[in-house]
Amino acid sequence: DGGITQSPKYLFRKEGQNVTLSCEQNLNHDAMYWYRQDPGQGLRLIYYSQIVNDFQKGDIAEGYSVSREKKESFPLTVTSAQKNPTAFYLCASSMTGTDAHQPQHFGDGTRLSIL
Amino acid sequence: DAKTTQPPSMDCAEGRAANLPCNHSTISGNEYVYWYRQIHSQGPQYIIHGLKNNETNEMASLIITEDRKSSTLILPHATLRDTAVYYCTPYEGYSTLTFGKGTMLLVSP
Repeated sequence: DGGITQSPKYLFRKEGQNVTLSCEQNLNHDAMYWYRQDPGQGLRLIYYSQIVNDFQKGDIAEGYSVSREKKESFPLTVTSAQKNPTAFYLCASSMTGTDAHQPQHFGDGTRLSIL
Repeated sequence: DAKTTQPPSMDCAEGRAANLPCNHSTISGNEYVYWYRQIHSQGPQYIIHGLKNNETNEMASLIITEDRKSSTLILPHATLRDTAVYYCTPYEGYSTLTFGKGTMLLVSP
């Protein structure tokens, strides 16, 4: 089945530690996105990438980093500079092309907590 | 400023139609109306989207008013598995997807 796989489902970070969240898709989508969702709040965009080896900062990129070395993969690193990393992290992907109105499809998220 | 207004909660009996309203009075000409739903602790699931014509797919129907300032998502025969938070959002493509607080739909036996 085609889809977006996020791992791990739950992740714990110690103070001062960097952690990497995995996102893999087999939908052949060009664009990939990382969002953060906090309780009772909507989505906030961290980073997005429309093509391999290129990515742009979203609204809350500070304390996060990404890479896009392969079309299928868009890992997110939460660095120690991110002072409030506890949240639900969602990865999404979408097609690109002349028709801009392609929906974003989401993985099932990674819940990050601080020890 | 909220881009959309949705009722915080709605109830529906299993097997009946669920009609979820959304006001998006500031929608721009380039934006489509998208609907997603999210079951607790899962990622959002895409349902349907439309520009100005009514749309139907295997999951739901979308009715958009002529002035495009509001829309209604219709689940024709709600099941218990349709219990979720439903979000409507204007979306232009290649941009940030934003959700408001959504509507918590509870489908009961």
